[in-house]
Amino acid sequence: DTAVSQTPKYLVTQMGNDKSIKCEQNLGHDTMYWYKQDSKKFLKIMFSYNNKELIINETVPNRFSPKSPDKAHLNLHINSLELGDSAVYFCASSPRQGSSGNTIYFGEGSWLTVV
Amino acid sequence: DAKTTQPNSMESNEEEPVHLPCNHSTISGTDYIHWYRQLPSQGPEYVIHGLTSNVNNRMASLAIAEDRKSSTLILHRATLRDAAVYYCILPYNFNKFYFGSGTKLNVKP
Repeated sequence: DTAVSQTPKYLVTQMGNDKSIKCEQNLGHDTMYWYKQDSKKFLKIMFSYNNKELIINETVPNRFSPKSPDKAHLNLHINSLELGDSAVYFCASSPRQGSSGNTIYFGEGSWLTVV
Repeated sequence: DAKTTQPNSMESNEEEPVHLPCNHSTISGTDYIHWYRQLPSQGPEYVIHGLTSNVNNRMASLAIAEDRKSSTLILHRATLRDAAVYYCILPYNFNKFYFGSGTKLNVKP
């Protein structure tokens, strides 16, 4: 049983295309995240949702639009893909908002390559 | 936002203990200290976290200095599977886990 699962694992697409990455967690957590890890391996938070409500948006371009149909799912849609969007995107979840004692559980990542 | 400082890399021999240091001199009283690790081509994995007292779990131990300005992650017997990048993190605004460059641990057989 994978706790945080994301699909696809690998995605190669052309510039200008629109693509989505899906994420599901079966841990019963309230909060979900999207992180981006670039070629320099820095891992940066992009978005966070708590019970389907957006709570963190880290100055990510408007081409990135997260959608949370329910608290177990957080999908990431990217419009007009650019070369610089090539990265590994990690979905994550944590039990609750509002405590720095939270533990975050990460998915295995989605490797996006824009050509 | 409290920042952390870690060595870029460390090396250990298999079956020996490893002490990974982290400095966080601007830590506030309510900041938990978290450690995560990332194995090659995998997502980050929770290792341990603590507030003031030392903590032990099946993966590692966390030693927190009395003034909380530094901490040490202790792997009691390093294995080849422990080769990873280890991140020391102080979440800010409760939910923001800022991952710095971490310490790349190399374990030699």
